[in-house]
Amino acid sequence: ETGVTQTPRHLVMGMTNKKSLKCEQHLGHNAMYWYKQSAKKPLELMFVYNFKEQTENNSVPSRFSPECPNSSHLFLHLHTLQPEDSALYLCASSQGILQRTNEKLFFGSGTQLSVL
Amino acid sequence: GENVEQHPSTLSVQEGDSAVIKCTYSDSASNYFPWYKQELGKGPQLIIDIRSNVGEKKDQRIAVTLNKTAKHFSLHITETQPEDSAVYFCADPNSGGSNYKLTFGKGTLLTVNP
Repeated sequence: ETGVTQTPRHLVMGMTNKKSLKCEQHLGHNAMYWYKQSAKKPLELMFVYNFKEQTENNSVPSRFSPECPNSSHLFLHLHTLQPEDSALYLCASSQGILQRTNEKLFFGSGTQLSVL
Repeated sequence: GENVEQHPSTLSVQEGDSAVIKCTYSDSASNYFPWYKQELGKGPQLIIDIRSNVGEKKDQRIAVTLNKTAKHFSLHITETQPEDSAVYFCADPNSGGSNYKLTFGKGTLLTVNP
């Protein structure tokens, strides 16, 4: 176990549904991330939170809405998704910033999302 | 700029053989190079990393080498075992242009045949 827990592991939803992905880290880290992993594409950073404040939004469509109520929990709210949004959504955490301090990322096992 | 190129995209070896995966980067200021391993059904996990002040680092059967002049770093796995089968990603935290972005390569699917 990496100390980063994601639920659910699998999710199937229609394009009109609203669902949420949950991530919890037990490592005492200050930064949390959402990544999207699609087939044959590099890992894509979606959002970054540092000390509960959003510091990065990598041009993600508004149908994805993140929420970080505290440094240990991160949510990704999904609404009116498209079939092309089907992917593995990975949560990660790090103690601090990645640049210059050589921080390590700890990933959860991901939520495999299918949009019908 | 953001550019980490990883090769090959797939690699199949016989158990006991060595495997080498190579990544090139574009930002000469990059100074830290991690490798992540992603097994089926799991998220990526850091397996080894290297800082720019050394040319090689070893941890049992895995090693990473760095050539700063040529801007590439490689993962070496010796005496491969079936449990080494996974997708391996290189990454560069300095390519993303932000304090929080880790730019990943496209990954290499390594298959170790018994």
